[in-house]
Amino acid sequence: GQNIDQPTEMTATEGAIVQINCTYQTSGFNGLFWYQQHAGEAPTFLSYNVLDGLEEKGRFSSFLSRSKGYSYLLLKELQMKDSASYLCAVRSASGGSYIPTFGRGTSLIVHP
Amino acid sequence: KAGVTQTPRYLIKTRGQQVTLSCSPISGHRSVSWYQQTPGQGLQFLFEYFSETQRNKGNFPGRFSGRQFSNSRSEMNVSTLELGDSALYLCASSFQDTRSSRLAYNEQFFGPGTRLTVL
Repeated sequence: GQNIDQPTEMTATEGAIVQINCTYQTSGFNGLFWYQQHAGEAPTFLSYNVLDGLEEKGRFSSFLSRSKGYSYLLLKELQMKDSASYLCAVRSASGGSYIPTFGRGTSLIVHP
Repeated sequence: KAGVTQTPRYLIKTRGQQVTLSCSPISGHRSVSWYQQTPGQGLQFLFEYFSETQRNKGNFPGRFSGRQFSNSRSEMNVSTLELGDSALYLCASSFQDTRSSRLAYNEQFFGPGTRLTVL
């Protein structure tokens, strides 16, 4: 089966940098995603990694190490609006299907 | 460009009933995926449709089914509702299907969801 672990909650200060870690155990790895979900809203896509390394997109970066089953999402210059849940999801290939499995999410609280 | 729309937004049903939820993807998108989100289990993948064919399926019982029409609109049906089916049901659309986008992720856009309550 698939297993994805990420911290339940993190707090950080406005303007700071925060790193949200995600570890996974899966067979047939086929990509890792990060989503942002504000309370009461639908998830929005942040990043996608399928090869090892760092992907940067503005204030957000995502890193992947397939050999370690590890990823992190780095948020720079934190803003109050970054307070949200961050979901790590791993897509696995199995029996011809491609199935995304989500972690429980990390609730990030940004305070002034 | 209009976003993904889902109807209805809220629904209350009783155990044993069946329900049909609807999702209209972004114009030009041919892939629609369905997800269930609950506080206890988090976000879970139900199935993905592309060009009227189910391409991928998650680990849900057969009571959960779906279909996609020629205009890419999709419906999800849950029969014999159980209390545990109470959840937010989200659909997401993308231009291509998952199998066509291994190295270059094909971004999914989520709709606002349908909040289903089973009494």
